[in-house]
Amino acid sequence: KQEVTQIPAALSVPEGENLVLNCSFTDSAIYNLQWFRQDPGKGLTSLLLIQSSQREQTSGRLNASLDKSSGRSTLYIAASQPGDSATYLCAVRLTAGTSGSRLTFGEGTQLTVNP
Amino acid sequence: ETGVTQTPRHLVMGMTNKKSLKCEQHLGHNAMYWYKQSAKKPLELMFVYSLEERVENNSVPSRFSPECPNSSHLFLHLHTLQPEDSALYLCASSQDLDGGIGSYNEQFFGPGTRLTVL
Repeated sequence: KQEVTQIPAALSVPEGENLVLNCSFTDSAIYNLQWFRQDPGKGLTSLLLIQSSQREQTSGRLNASLDKSSGRSTLYIAASQPGDSATYLCAVRLTAGTSGSRLTFGEGTQLTVNP
Repeated sequence: ETGVTQTPRHLVMGMTNKKSLKCEQHLGHNAMYWYKQSAKKPLELMFVYSLEERVENNSVPSRFSPECPNSSHLFLHLHTLQPEDSALYLCASSQDLDGGIGSYNEQFFGPGTRLTVL
């Protein structure tokens, strides 16, 4: 059974700091990995998706890396801003196929960026 | 409306009530999903539909009954719920379940319905 762990559970940093969020998964036979952002009481916004054959994806100040063999992904946020405050969720999708439609989520990292 | 929409956004119901949650996607996707997000727990997949056919039921109690009348709409019918069913219910859609090589099949989420069972 795939298990996804995110560390730390919560993080508070001053504005402008670069930071790294960590995600680990137990089954390396993944199809892809997605990072989401969730604001309080809201739905999920997809930030980055990395296919199993890729090593990293970048979007603006965000960079996500994937090391499938070690079961790890990191989300790097450069020059953090108060507007980045949210919960960041990591989710993995198993190999392709009907059962592979399942996304397994971590519990998230709650990020607070202080002005 | 664009993306994935859900109504109502908030719902309070008693244990004997019957209510329905609605999800609509405006993305032309073929697959739709229901997730449950309880406090301090990871999102849990409940149901998966592909081309209006249910392809996965993740051991969900029968008091939750999904319905997918067409590829754009997904309902979750609720009856005789328990207080522990209080949670944020999220709907998502993707182009397909399995797009094959080179397909991302990214899932797009709606804003959720915050359900409180009294």
